[in-house]
Amino acid sequence: QVQVVQSGAEVKKPGASVTVSCKASGYTFTGYFVHWVRQAPGQGLEWMGWINFNSGGTNYAQKFQGRVTVTRDTSIGTAYMELSRLRSDDTAVFYCARGGKVGPYTPFDMWGQGTMVTVSS
Amino acid sequence: EIVMTQSPVTLSVSPGERATLSCRASQSVGSDLAWCQQKPGQAPRLLIYGASNRATGIPARFSGSGSGTEFTLTISSLQSEDFAVYYCQQYNHWPFTFGPGTRVDIK
Repeated sequence: QVQVVQSGAEVKKPGASVTVSCKASGYTFTGYFVHWVRQAPGQGLEWMGWINFNSGGTNYAQKFQGRVTVTRDTSIGTAYMELSRLRSDDTAVFYCARGGKVGPYTPFDMWGQGTMVTVSS
Repeated sequence: EIVMTQSPVTLSVSPGERATLSCRASQSVGSDLAWCQQKPGQAPRLLIYGASNRATGIPARFSGSGSGTEFTLTISSLQSEDFAVYYCQQYNHWPFTFGPGTRVDIK
């Protein structure tokens, strides 16, 4: 079954970092852009950034620059999103989503199941 | 940053009725507009891309139209599984932005 599978829920203290992983199942991310999206409880969707899975090139929303790092490991077909200096208002579900192959300006056609990150002292 | 707005905030519809959702962009995004559906506790699912193209496996009762700054998602005959929140998203300009969503609930 073709899908995107994310790592499990995390609980972190303020000031810590969290890393969420995202893996393609039934295919590979090779050639695709992979995006990350945040959704706070009861709120809407907020794009964070993308990675070109082939080149490793990244681009981040200004709001998250300096705190977010997206990487990938091509040997295991997995993308990662690290968010540092966590605050309580970072409590959210984080989604990865598959973009297109021809460039980043393409729709997100497959979404992971989401990873709940709770930031609490 | 392109600001996406959606109306109405909530739409109450009876099963079998037609639902029309609107999305507006603060500047032109061409046809680079997607609609996605999100049910409680689930991830978003792509319904429409390129303003009017149904994604794989999406029923024909979902249709999209528009270009530039004004877009519409129409659900021709609402089924029970269609009650959800619908988001529009532009992918024409960095940063990508989403609308605040329209909740479609049972009348």
